[in-house]
Amino acid sequence: QQQVKQSPQSLIVQKGGISIINCAYENTAFDYFPWYQQFPGKGPALLIAIRPDVSEKKEGRFTISFNKSAKQFSLHIMDSQPGDSATYFCAASKEYGGSQGNLIFGKGTKLSVKP
Amino acid sequence: GAGVSQSPSNKVTEKGKDVELRCDPISGHTALYWYRQRLGQGLEFLIYFQGNSAPDKSGLPSDRFSAERTGESVSTLTIQRTQQEDSAVYLCASSFGQTTDTQYFGPGTRLTVL
Repeated sequence: QQQVKQSPQSLIVQKGGISIINCAYENTAFDYFPWYQQFPGKGPALLIAIRPDVSEKKEGRFTISFNKSAKQFSLHIMDSQPGDSATYFCAASKEYGGSQGNLIFGKGTKLSVKP
Repeated sequence: GAGVSQSPSNKVTEKGKDVELRCDPISGHTALYWYRQRLGQGLEFLIYFQGNSAPDKSGLPSDRFSAERTGESVSTLTIQRTQQEDSAVYLCASSFGQTTDTQYFGPGTRLTVL
């Protein structure tokens, strides 16, 4: 059972464009939703995260939009740059109950930003 | 400061051999996680340590997989009688210990089972 579904699998965007990656989750107990960025040969690094008490969080060019009723969240990268080319993973975890802190990852989106 | 380190960076082994993968977390981080990343896939949770104890081993795929942590520091993931399907990148992450604290990942160990 895939608890976090991510799309698209790959994305090509022109420099300066907006990159949008979507995720949907099933478990309503999830209450922490981070996005990770991974460059080839490196471990994932936290990019931005959101809790369900807000609908949007912005950090620089990166914005998370969160729709609790639809159980969906998305990452928007504004003014995309070639240096943003990487694989992006959405994830979810729950603070209480079992599996505390264990991140459930989407399958990833490979973003290529063309100059 | 130093980040999470893992060794070896690459490991090639023959089917049926045992392998040990090591993780050195960030100093002071009480929580440590192991994940597996198969080619083109997302990360799969394997096991979680809080201090030296493992309250959640639910992600270990079989009894050939085991892990331990000593001194609230170094952790070792052991895979016995390796199979070709064990080929993956094994990632370790650590955090201060609260469930939503940022997990910092190491660079991973790429395991290839021939």
